[in-house]
Amino acid sequence: AQRVTQPEKLLSVFKGAPVELKCNYSYSGSPELFWYVQYSRQRLQLLLRHISRESIKGFTADLNKGETSFHLKKPFAQEEDSAMYYCALRGSQGNLIFGKGTKLSVKP
Amino acid sequence: EPEVTQTPSHQVTQMGQEVILRCVPISNHLYFYWYRQILGQKVEFLVSFYNNEISEKSEIFDDQFSVERPDGSNFTLKIRSTKLEDSAMYFCASRAGANTEAFFGQGTRLTVV
Repeated sequence: AQRVTQPEKLLSVFKGAPVELKCNYSYSGSPELFWYVQYSRQRLQLLLRHISRESIKGFTADLNKGETSFHLKKPFAQEEDSAMYYCALRGSQGNLIFGKGTKLSVKP
Repeated sequence: EPEVTQTPSHQVTQMGQEVILRCVPISNHLYFYWYRQILGQKVEFLVSFYNNEISEKSEIFDDQFSVERPDGSNFTLKIRSTKLEDSAMYFCASRAGANTEAFFGQGTRLTVV
């Protein structure tokens, strides 16, 4: 089965604190994983894809095939990071399979 | 920067009525998608479209749903006879090639009453 699990519905941290948004996947084959972000009243935007191995807005995510995880991390959260974050897996037909999303709230 | 655009932003319709949701993908893109998100739930894949035909569809995409690319620029999702449970945000997405990122529209909120 192709599945993405984000166990936390809401994650609340203070500004400057480290953040880790968890994502686990189930996929037989070589997975392609993404993090999408949706700021308030805006569209879904690609934040990261694992194959590019880059850091965007201070966020990084490493694919761990042994743990089937693709957790999103940032060492020092900012208030403007508050948003919904969706982990997604590219399915065998090219469509995206999304997790339920985690709402990140960064308090001042 | 080119964007995927969707119209209308909000559609209210009576149960049993037909509704057409419209999308204009980014112009040089070849792969097109519809997703939906019921309030409080995750974004779910409905259908993918490539080379003027459906390439993949989910269990949600039953006979009440259809897609069309009538004129080479618009990509529409039609729901023939809406049900209350069709109320959701519907997102259109497009991408240029097989290994490129998907760009999403801002969504259409469909409310069936």
